[in-house]
Amino acid sequence: NAGVTQTPKFQVLKTGQSMTLQCAQDMNHEYMSWYRQDPGMGLRLIHYSVGAGITDQGEVPNGYNVSRSTTEDFPLRLLSAAPSQTSVYFCASRKSGTGIGGYTFGSGTRLTVV
Amino acid sequence: GENVEQHPSTLSVQEGDSAVIKCTYSDSASNYFPWYKQELGKGPQLIIDIRSNVGEKKDQRIAVTLNKTAKHFSLHITETQPEDSAVYFCAASSAGNMLTFGGGTRLMVKP
Repeated sequence: NAGVTQTPKFQVLKTGQSMTLQCAQDMNHEYMSWYRQDPGMGLRLIHYSVGAGITDQGEVPNGYNVSRSTTEDFPLRLLSAAPSQTSVYFCASRKSGTGIGGYTFGSGTRLTVV
Repeated sequence: GENVEQHPSTLSVQEGDSAVIKCTYSDSASNYFPWYKQELGKGPQLIIDIRSNVGEKKDQRIAVTLNKTAKHFSLHITETQPEDSAVYFCAASSAGNMLTFGGGTRLMVKP
């Protein structure tokens, strides 16, 4: 049971490049989310999914795309990277339903856009 | 949407003292309030949570209190230890699938 696995751990992109941040979980969690963490701003929700084939926007979705073709995987795509997207990105997952505990987070991807 | 404010942004205490971190939320429909601990280079880890039908919850040295009327909740850590040093985040959720986080508190426990 690996939990939530994010790859890569570090990435440097040039402005305008595209890339995909990978996220996989092996806990059969229905809910998955992507957050970005910037200094002094906590974590802000980018996109989330409540199950395979269902995605929705969070607080800061511009510049990012997601898809959820399987329960296990929830990749985050940057179509044309900008310096404002320099951040630490966290993927998280949880079971659906009440009475279930909070999200399990991955260890993060530190992205620098130059 | 929900807005969560967290104070203080930094907190320094002596080992053995207590630490208190406070959060306020804006959406009266929020009903789930988790607290996360984030160590350097790692993702946030859930340490305790509380639901709106409960006023207080304890787990060994940590406790969380919730005041629904005032829309604020607090994390209490007693007998602090150096390994408690980390960044702590509060969060609030009304729909269960979206968490709104506070800005974080950097706790430093001095030996």
